[in-house]
Amino acid sequence: AQSVTQLDSQVPVFEEAPVELRCNYSSSVSVYLFWYVQYPNQGLQLLLKYLSGSTLVKGINGFEAEFNKSQTSFHLRKPSVHISDTAEYFCAVWFSGSARQLTFGSGTQLTVLP
Amino acid sequence: NAGVMQNPRHLVRRRGQEARLRCSPMKGHSHVYWYRQLPEEGLKFMVYLQKENIIDESGMPKERFSAEFPKEGPSILRIQQVVRGDSAAYFCASSPHGTGLNTGELFFGEGSRLTVL
Repeated sequence: AQSVTQLDSQVPVFEEAPVELRCNYSSSVSVYLFWYVQYPNQGLQLLLKYLSGSTLVKGINGFEAEFNKSQTSFHLRKPSVHISDTAEYFCAVWFSGSARQLTFGSGTQLTVLP
Repeated sequence: NAGVMQNPRHLVRRRGQEARLRCSPMKGHSHVYWYRQLPEEGLKFMVYLQKENIIDESGMPKERFSAEFPKEGPSILRIQQVVRGDSAAYFCASSPHGTGLNTGELFFGEGSRLTVL
């Protein structure tokens, strides 16, 4: 079965500390991987995406993610967070083959504390 | 910057009424997707449409929900006889190609938040 799992629903972290938001997926087919961010009462904005090539991808706002095929993971990282990074973060996967839509994880609420 | 436009942004309905949510995709995009976000949950796929065609409605509830994307005008998600459990944020997304043809990236609107009293 194809699925996307975000292991942490809430991640509190102090300002300027590093953060990692975890995402794992289950699939027997090839995938494209995405991270989206949702600020309160807004839509989703693409942070970064992995399609092919280098497994380390860099996105906007200083975020990066690493695709690990053997562990079927795509964890999001930032070395030093800001208050403005407080938001909900969603991992999304497109499964090749018959799937016609992105499958989203349940989201991780990142709260940056002063 | 004409992104994906959704209206209304907020909608309040009483049980039994109808809700109509509209979505205008980005210019040049002919593929529209509707997702529902329930409180404290992630986004769940509902339906994928192209102009005048429903391509995949596997995520749509069997009753009361319908969607269309006419040749002219916005895509509409219609919920008949709303119940409290329909209270959610409904997001529309568009892409220039079907996800079988491109990278799968979607461009999202800001959502329509439905509250059923």
